[in-house]
Amino acid sequence: KNEVEQSPQNLTAQEGEFITINCSYSVGISALHWLQQHPGGGIVSLFMLSSGKKKHGRLIATINIQEKHSSLHITASHPRDSAVYICAVPQYSGGGADGLTFGKGTHLIIQP
Amino acid sequence: NAGVTQTPKFRVLKTGQSMTLLCAQDMNHEYMYWYRQDPGMGLRLIHYSVGEGTTAKGEVPDGYNVSRLKKQNFLLGLESAAPSQTSVYFCASSRNRDTKETQYFGPGTRLLVL
Repeated sequence: KNEVEQSPQNLTAQEGEFITINCSYSVGISALHWLQQHPGGGIVSLFMLSSGKKKHGRLIATINIQEKHSSLHITASHPRDSAVYICAVPQYSGGGADGLTFGKGTHLIIQP
Repeated sequence: NAGVTQTPKFRVLKTGQSMTLLCAQDMNHEYMYWYRQDPGMGLRLIHYSVGEGTTAKGEVPDGYNVSRLKKQNFLLGLESAAPSQTSVYFCASSRNRDTKETQYFGPGTRLLVL
């Protein structure tokens, strides 16, 4: 089973700061997912990465397949970015994926 | 499109009682999943379904049963609830089992077993 580790577990920052959340995994993968869990509990998918870098608004996600590491960056952070950010990798079985293995999440608070 | 919906949103059970959680999706997705989320732990896969009439065990299946009689619905049953099953339960669905496929999550069901 792939082990997924995230750091930091908790992060408090001031509005406007550049935020970095890290994710490492133990077994090689072809795709990695970043998700966001809102304070109300809902979970939404932010990115799927198979290589390189993706950008969506102020969010940037990068992945290094060789080093088994991904990062999620938030530029010009805002209080509305406060959420739990979760990294997840596929659970491989017979040529496909049956579910995801999740990291424990990074609880981010952005203070005004 | 409602996406993925879950019923109920919150429930309190006594030890030994039974209940069924309902997940429904209107995206015509083949794959559906049940996860549980506990404090200090990542989401964990309970059971999943690869299509109507087919289910499989995930990482933590003990104490749960599932059924997928219709493509759009995935039911999670607790036959005899235990306090260890106190958790938040999330249902998710995806088009297929491609590793790059996005999973869409329901809003969650908060279950408290006393």
